[in-house]
Amino acid sequence: GQNIDQPTEMTATEGAIVQINCTYQTSGFNGLFWYQQHAGEAPTFLSYNVLDGLEEKGRFSSFLSRSKGYSYLLLKELQMKDSASYLCAGSYGQNFVFGPGTRLSVLP
Amino acid sequence: EAGVAQSPRYKIIEKRQSVAFWCNPISGHATLYWYQQILGQGPKLLIQFQNNGVVDDSQLPKDRFSAERLKGVDSTLKIQPAKLEDSAVYLCASSLDPGPNNEQFFGPGTRLTVL
Repeated sequence: GQNIDQPTEMTATEGAIVQINCTYQTSGFNGLFWYQQHAGEAPTFLSYNVLDGLEEKGRFSSFLSRSKGYSYLLLKELQMKDSASYLCAGSYGQNFVFGPGTRLSVLP
Repeated sequence: EAGVAQSPRYKIIEKRQSVAFWCNPISGHATLYWYQQILGQGPKLLIQFQNNGVVDDSQLPKDRFSAERLKGVDSTLKIQPAKLEDSAVYLCASSLDPGPNNEQFFGPGTRLTVL
């Protein structure tokens, strides 16, 4: 299978920077998605990386290393509303595999 | 643009009963997905449709779960009979095409509790 791994929980302080890591199996890999999911709500799209490197989108950035099977989501200037689960998902052919999600708690 | 619609939002049933969920994808989206998300876990793909054909149902427990997408638009997911371990949120998502680069848009989900 295409195992996607990410930490289960993280805690950070309002205004700080946090990096959420994700590792995945490289065989058959196409690209890497990041979704945000607030408690009780549906996932919403944050980013998609298919090439190596960093893509910045406002306070959120996503990085991909295809050779290492590694990605991270970087959140800057954390706000309380950023408390949510962050889902890493790999696309393999026409299949998508989600990781378990990282529950981020932002503290005042 | 209207999003993905799902109903009902919540459902409580007893084990061995049957239940059905409905999904209306974004207009024009050819690909439709059903996911099961157990509390504290990431979504697990159950079935993927391209128009009204099945692309992937390898993780669908076919002895009790079934899904259809007649006319290539709306879809229904059925569980018959339900087990306690089926308690989860059932998410429907759609994308414009089935290709690996396409963002999926999720509906609000149906939270199922099996007692």
